[in-house]
Amino acid sequence: SQQGEEDPQALSIQEGENATMNCSYKTSINNLQWYRQNSGRGLVHLILIRSNEREKHSGRLRVTLDTSKKSSSLLITASRAADTASYFCATHNFGNEKLTFGTGTRLTIIP
Amino acid sequence: EAEVAQSPRYKITEKSQAVAFWCDPISGHATLYWYRQILGQGPELLVQFQDESVVDDSQLPKDRFSAERLKGVDSTLKIQPAELGDSAMYLCASSWAMASGYEQYFGPGTRLTVT
Repeated sequence: SQQGEEDPQALSIQEGENATMNCSYKTSINNLQWYRQNSGRGLVHLILIRSNEREKHSGRLRVTLDTSKKSSSLLITASRAADTASYFCATHNFGNEKLTFGTGTRLTIIP
Repeated sequence: EAEVAQSPRYKITEKSQAVAFWCDPISGHATLYWYRQILGQGPELLVQFQDESVVDDSQLPKDRFSAERLKGVDSTLKIQPAELGDSAMYLCASSWAMASGYEQYFGPGTRLTVT
């Protein structure tokens, strides 16, 4: 079963603009991770944010976490054509040692 | 940079046939995962190994799916017999340990089409 729901399901923006995608989840988490998947390929880990953290940065990526609202957001600044991909949030829940993935946001960057 | 290897990359099989997928994790990674990803959805865990032991196979359809990691290194996922609904991407991933702070490294996947 899917733990997270990403919003929007699909997003198209012009190159250079910022892209924001959101993730909501249902149960208490240990950490939340974001992954990128290029078409027909495996997933690549982008960033991990722990439940006691509120914001984290990595290059052009900024992730926020609001555990009271059970939600996270991923911001990609100054988007590039190479950012075109599907983005998934995944939660690591208390009580088990597995990741549960959301449904994904399909991001298209228009050159 | 070390990568997770999977083969084959693509597999077309007829329903009721047997099919097998192979995964070689990054050297030294104790934990290995098999996921199934249906088009348009996120990956769903099928089975998780810690070394050679299964630690979670609650979502594995055990009447037709089996997985093994005999020497705690590479792993094989088998489906017998394949059904039309098994058409999906099968992803293998590995991590240093089960603990929650470790990221997972994914292979390129095997795209299965059952006709």
